[in-house]
Amino acid sequence: DIVMTQSPDSLAVSLGERATINCKSSRTVLYSSNNLNRIAWYRQRPGQPPKLLIYWASTRESGVPDRFSGSGSGTDFTLTISSLQAEDVAVYYCQQYYSTPHTFGQGTKLEIK
Amino acid sequence: QVQLQESGPGLVKPSETLSLTCTVSGDSISSYYWSWIRQPPGKGLEWIGYIYTSGSTNYNPSLESRVTISIDTSKNQLSLKLSSVTAADTAVYYCARHSDGWFPYWLQYWGQGALVTVSS
Repeated sequence: DIVMTQSPDSLAVSLGERATINCKSSRTVLYSSNNLNRIAWYRQRPGQPPKLLIYWASTRESGVPDRFSGSGSGTDFTLTISSLQAEDVAVYYCQQYYSTPHTFGQGTKLEIK
Repeated sequence: QVQLQESGPGLVKPSETLSLTCTVSGDSISSYYWSWIRQPPGKGLEWIGYIYTSGSTNYNPSLESRVTISIDTSKNQLSLKLSSVTAADTAVYYCARHSDGWFPYWLQYWGQGALVTVSS
């Protein structure tokens, strides 16, 4: 299984400041045929299901604000929120869909400082 | 807009079989991959398995001996059965649709989830 490890486990950021969440996979998730990384990011607000934010490691889902961006390749990935808004308080998960079992990171809880 | 709704008993006794149904509306269930994911209270997400509309399945090895996912295209529904449950199977169970394509890529649409508690 590919193990996904996120850091930090929790993060407190001031409104309007940048938030950065890291995700590391235990082996590469770069698909050589199209040179794209099979990584997705999700946001889960309290009491809600996860919501897709980013796929292919850096492509924003339709309707997702452009303050959310994803980067990285191979085994190291980052989700960045450029200017934190109150509605961004949530738990964020990375997930690999390179191979089964599809696996998620343990989650990063993002709060307002 | 695709909508998914999980339904089924909220309480299951230990050693019995958990059964859930996911009803899809707003689009056909055909030609997509569909997954079940669960989340124990206060914990992270665990992928259970997926099914394609052809009926082909792929399960998490950690649950494979106890899991069956099936699909009924005539009813636009998929189902999950998990046998021999214990308290460790207490979780919110989500169904989700993968993005379109020939491979089970990212999970684009999620249901609201159904809490299933295993207790006598």
